[in-house]
Amino acid sequence: AQKVTQAQTEISVVEKEDVTLDCVYETRDTTYYLFWYKQPPSGELVFLIRRNSFDEQNEISGRYSWNFQKSTSSFNFTITASQVVDSAVYFCALSSYSSASKIIFGSGTRLSIRP
Amino acid sequence: EAGVAQSPRYKIIEKRQSVAFWCNPISGHATLYWYQQILGQGPKLLIQFQNNGVVDDSQLPKDRFSAERLKGVDSTLKIQPAKLEDSAVYLCASTTLAPGVLTGELFFGEGSRLTVL
Repeated sequence: AQKVTQAQTEISVVEKEDVTLDCVYETRDTTYYLFWYKQPPSGELVFLIRRNSFDEQNEISGRYSWNFQKSTSSFNFTITASQVVDSAVYFCALSSYSSASKIIFGSGTRLSIRP
Repeated sequence: EAGVAQSPRYKIIEKRQSVAFWCNPISGHATLYWYQQILGQGPKLLIQFQNNGVVDDSQLPKDRFSAERLKGVDSTLKIQPAKLEDSAVYLCASTTLAPGVLTGELFFGEGSRLTVL
């Protein structure tokens, strides 16, 4: 079964703090892709990053970084020096051949950054 | 480049009434998706089109939901008759990539929020 678990329903931090959003996935496939999307209050989901199952290198993009660990089936997302504009719901997602390449989303983590 | 357009943004109806949502994907995007997002949950795929053909509608409640993409561009999602549990945001997404390609980055519209009373 394909499943994405985001155990943190809501997180609230003060601006400039670092925050990590957790994502744990389940799949029996060896080839799969993991994604993070951001959903601001306006509603549309915005693609942030894609990582394939063969590339365990961590990635950094500005204040954003992602830690992919196959050993623990996790793909965590860290925002460094958070800003109020980072407030949104963040979704982790999985795509694999067993899901017929459909993107399966986790339940999301609502992140609130307080000024 | 214009994004994915959806309308209406908000709709309130009584149960057992019907409703239709419209989506215009990004120009040139052959693959179109409709997702249902219930409050507090992640989006759930309802139906997937490539051009004007249905690729996957396995999670579409076909007794009440229907969708079409007649000319391979715009799409309409209809619910008839609506139930209370259909209250959700209906998101349309598109991509240039064909279904079956794992790497697909989806481009989403702002969604249509449905409230069924």
